[in-house]
Parts: sequence; structure tokens; C-alpha cells
Amino acid sequence: AQKITQTQPGMFVQEKEAVTLDCTYDTSDPSYGLFWYKQPSSGEMIFLIYQGSYDQQNATEGRYSLNFQKARKSANLVISASQLGDSAMYFCAMNKGGATNKLIFGTGTLLAVQP
Amino acid sequence: DAGVIQSPRHEVTEMGQEVTLRCKPISGHNSLFWYRQTMMRGLELLIYFNNNVPIDDSGMPEDRFSAKMPNASFSTLKIQPSEPRDSAVYFCASRPGLAGVYEQFFGPGTRLTVL
Repeated sequence: AQKITQTQPGMFVQEKEAVTLDCTYDTSDPSYGLFWYKQPSSGEMIFLIYQGSYDQQNATEGRYSLNFQKARKSANLVISASQLGDSAMYFCAMNKGGATNKLIFGTGTLLAVQP
Repeated sequence: DAGVIQSPRHEVTEMGQEVTLRCKPISGHNSLFWYRQTMMRGLELLIYFNNNVPIDDSGMPEDRFSAKMPNASFSTLKIQPSEPRDSAVYFCASRPGLAGVYEQFFGPGTRLTVL
């Protein structure tokens, strides 16, 4: 069975500094996708970044990068130059590769950016 | 283009009443998902559709829950009869059937409170 683990319930970071949010996963499927979503206090789910299991390079989207370590089954999110607006809950998720659409989410990490 | 639209945004009802949540996916998207978010269980996939056909409803908690997608632009999630433990935020999400596009786009959610 697939499983996502986020061990950090909460994190603090100073504005303009970088922060890493941890995510480990468990799956026996060779093909899978890894996702990060942001949920601000307003409640909506915002897609941030995607990494496919066969992608050779780590995904990057603006200030977000995904530190993908396949052998360790980790997919940590790195946010560079944190901004106050980055304060939110962050969820790691995965799905099976191919046509399977099911997303399995971790329990989330609450990030607070301090001025 | 408009995002995923959900209605109502908030619903308060009494135990035993029927509740219907509505979703309009992004035009052109051919996969639709219903999720439930609670403090205790986090984000859970309830059911998803491909091309209006239910593919996996293994996450539907019990027979009191039902979902339909009569056409490509509309889906409903019905709870009958509702119970206090159904109180949660219900998200609808959609995904295009395009190669290389893996993320799901979430609606703003419906916050359901069953008294």
C-alpha cells in the first residue's frame, strides 16, 4: 500500500530565509508521481510542484524546488527566500503512475514565516 | 478561465437531513474527484470519475454517501441521512486528460456542519 509521511507538524522560518519541508513515501510501484500542495488559512488547495518517479532532474517552480531522493524515498519541498505569504499548511501527496488518478495525502506541515 | 466551482460554500444542517454538494469542473477536464478533509483523518479521496464514469468509489464511507456526474460539467455528492460525523470540508477537484499534466485543480471547498 502507498503511504506518505510528513513528520513535521509545524515549522518556523524567518522571512527571506530558505526552509525545507520533509516528506517520505512508501510504494512498491515503479511509476508514481509526487506532489506538493499549499493550503492557506482561506482553505483552498493550491498546486505547487510535481515530480515524476522517472524524472532525472529535481523539479523546480519559481521559489519552490523538490529535493527528490529516490533511494531514500524522500521528496522534500524547499522554499527559497520565504515570504510572509508562504505561511500556510503544506501537503505532500503521491499517486500511482499511468492512468491512476488517486492522490494520497500526508498529514501536512504548518509553516509560519516570521518577519 | 474559471476554476473549479463548488456550491454551497457553507452548509449547516441538522442530523437526518439530506445534503447535496455541487461541483462544476474546469471546462475540458475529464477527471473529477471528491475529497473530504477533517482534522482526524486529513484529506481523503472519496470517489473519482473519468469521462463522467465512476472509476473508484472505495473511499466513500458508507451507503449514506452517493455521487453522480450526469454530464461533463456537473457533479453532485449527496449525503442522506446526514450525521454529525459527516461535518468536514468537502473538496471537488478536476484534472485535464492531457499528457504531462498531472496536477489536480481544487475548488474552494464546501464546509459542512451537521448539528
